[in-house]
Amino acid sequence: EPEVTQTPSHQVTQMGQEVILRCVPISNHLYFYWYRQILGQKVEFLVSFYNNEISEKSEIFDDQFSVERPDGSNFTLKIRSTKLEDSAMYFCASHQAGEETQYFGPGTRLLVL
Amino acid sequence: GEDVEQSLFLSVREGDSSVINCTYTDSSSTYLYWYKQEPGAGLQLLTYIFSNMDMKQDQRLTVLLNKKDKHLSLRIADTQTGDSAIYFCAEGLHNTDKLIFGTGTRLQVFP
Repeated sequence: EPEVTQTPSHQVTQMGQEVILRCVPISNHLYFYWYRQILGQKVEFLVSFYNNEISEKSEIFDDQFSVERPDGSNFTLKIRSTKLEDSAMYFCASHQAGEETQYFGPGTRLLVL
Repeated sequence: GEDVEQSLFLSVREGDSSVINCTYTDSSSTYLYWYKQEPGAGLQLLTYIFSNMDMKQDQRLTVLLNKKDKHLSLRIADTQTGDSAIYFCAEGLHNTDKLIFGTGTRLQVFP
């Protein structure tokens, strides 16, 4: 069964460093998402992406964040200058056109020191 | 506002039924979802219900929706130790693609 994959599974970085989190959505899906879950808190929406542009973003998704679909398969989330409070599990999700269900990847656990 | 709430913990004996509850505030929901998260794993879609339905059954899972009270529940029949996980309800809203998640309910199944 096709699934969303994410790399790396874990990343440790120093405050102020840039990180890029990678996702490979399910191949025929056209809508892509990033969510994050700070330890012990709710899963929060960050951004949605369709047709090579951001369709919606939350107030969390400030100028430090960017997303890109650099080729036909990858979908990336970049955090330009990480802060301690960016430590969280980051989930990528995707869905097909005409479907309502989002399929999530296993997540990348980011730790900012 | 958008808010989804769940109780934090539920402990059941193997073979019993589990009922996980969820309340939400936004009345413009389109679909409501249940996701399961096992330790170290991602969010696995379990089932979903369209907001104009009252009930949906899928093998051991039964979803009940009371739209008037904005209450959603997930019943797991014959709960097994492999059902131990965190269960998230999530709300899809009209005119947006984002999902609003609850806090998650940690289900522990003991023999």
